[in-house]
Amino acid sequence: GESVGLHLPTLSVQEGDNSIINCAYSNSASDYFIWYKQESGKGPQFIIDIRSNMDKRQGQRVTVLLNKTVKHLSLQIAATQPGDSAVYFCAENTGGFKTIFGAGTRLFVKA
Amino acid sequence: DSGVTQTPKHLITATGQRVTLRCSPRSGDLSVYWYQQSLDQGLQFLIQYYNGEERAKGNILERFSAQQFPDLHSELNLSSLELGDSALYFCASSVVIGSFSGANVLTFGAGSRLTVL
Repeated sequence: GESVGLHLPTLSVQEGDNSIINCAYSNSASDYFIWYKQESGKGPQFIIDIRSNMDKRQGQRVTVLLNKTVKHLSLQIAATQPGDSAVYFCAENTGGFKTIFGAGTRLFVKA
Repeated sequence: DSGVTQTPKHLITATGQRVTLRCSPRSGDLSVYWYQQSLDQGLQFLIQYYNGEERAKGNILERFSAQQFPDLHSELNLSSLELGDSALYFCASSVVIGSFSGANVLTFGAGSRLTVL
């Protein structure tokens, strides 16, 4: 399940299960939404993005869903693997260059 | 290797001191961003430069300053350091391709870990 830890909320899932990471964004005028993955000791890395005029976009084992009505973004990871353990950030692009990151969620995959 | 180079990787210093963090963006990227990440926290946007000019400012303290040079590398200067400044400082550069034309995807460096004692 999902819980709020001392700092980052944590999602713990069993290997092979699907993971759903949620994010609430603030600016209804944002043009693009991007998910980043940050592994321990590394900088965030791009996973997938979605344009504001889309509801869903699929990548390899990942799907991003966008609900503009409630300003909600989610990242679904199919068949979660130990290598998916990381902190996941959503980010919104506004006005071209400005990028604002969400709070982040730590995904912990149990073997 | 993301193509964004940050130095130093680790830095330990004392309160009241001043340090400079350096970033070289990916080849061809004109935009550089600085973010601060405290332990187990999110990414706090500090400042952004585009082709040598300041483009956007976030929650950057007055004790901190940055610049982007003609060769596009950037430096973040942190002065009068306090214990609370201990954090990971990330530099990112902008790749305006992503999956769609126009998405501003950031490429991050590995970060500079600053410890203030």
